[in-house]
Amino acid sequence: EVQLVESGGALVQPGRSVRLSCVTSGLTFGDHAMHWVRQAPGKGLEWVSGISWNSGGLDYADSVKGRFTISRDNDKNSLYLQMNRLRVEDTAMYYCAKGKAWAVTSQLDAWGRGTLVTVSS
Amino acid sequence: DIQMTQSPSSLSASVGDKVNITCRASQNVFTYVNWYQQRSGQAPELLIYTASNLQTGVPSRFTGSGSGTDFTLTISGLQPDDFVVYYCHQNYRTPQTFGQGTKVDIK
Repeated sequence: EVQLVESGGALVQPGRSVRLSCVTSGLTFGDHAMHWVRQAPGKGLEWVSGISWNSGGLDYADSVKGRFTISRDNDKNSLYLQMNRLRVEDTAMYYCAKGKAWAVTSQLDAWGRGTLVTVSS
Repeated sequence: DIQMTQSPSSLSASVGDKVNITCRASQNVFTYVNWYQQRSGQAPELLIYTASNLQTGVPSRFTGSGSGTDFTLTISGLQPDDFVVYYCHQNYRTPQTFGQGTKVDIK
């Protein structure tokens, strides 16, 4: 069974940083692209960032480009999201999601339960 | 960015009904459209991928159709567990984008 477990969510002040982690099991991690998707309270889904199987392909939503950095460690079966210069509008549940294939354009076929990031002064 | 416009934003139906949810892309996305179901307080789950392919383990009452810019999710014979929120999603081009969601509730 594929499992994705996010951690690192916190209550932080605007302008500060947070690093999210996603540990996976039950899959050949290095064969799949991975993604972060967020959902603000009571709102819809927003794709944040994706990374290809070998980190050769990276992409970001315009709303986070230049502030967030996605990375992965295939030896540790883990995905990360470094979030800098946080804004109030970054407040959301952040989900880790597995790509169905290796490319950053692959669809998302398994999701973790999410970790909550709240940005507030 | 490619915009995905879902309609309706909400609908009311009864157990056993057949419902259609539509999604229109702002440009041709071929068949790179997927549908997700999200229960309250839970993560989304993939139902349909590449427009019409049923994800493993998903009941056959869920079907997807369409290509180009117009797509439809059909639920044939609504069950009590189906009264939740559904999202369309395109992965033709990054940034990947979602529709705004359709809430299906009990009439």
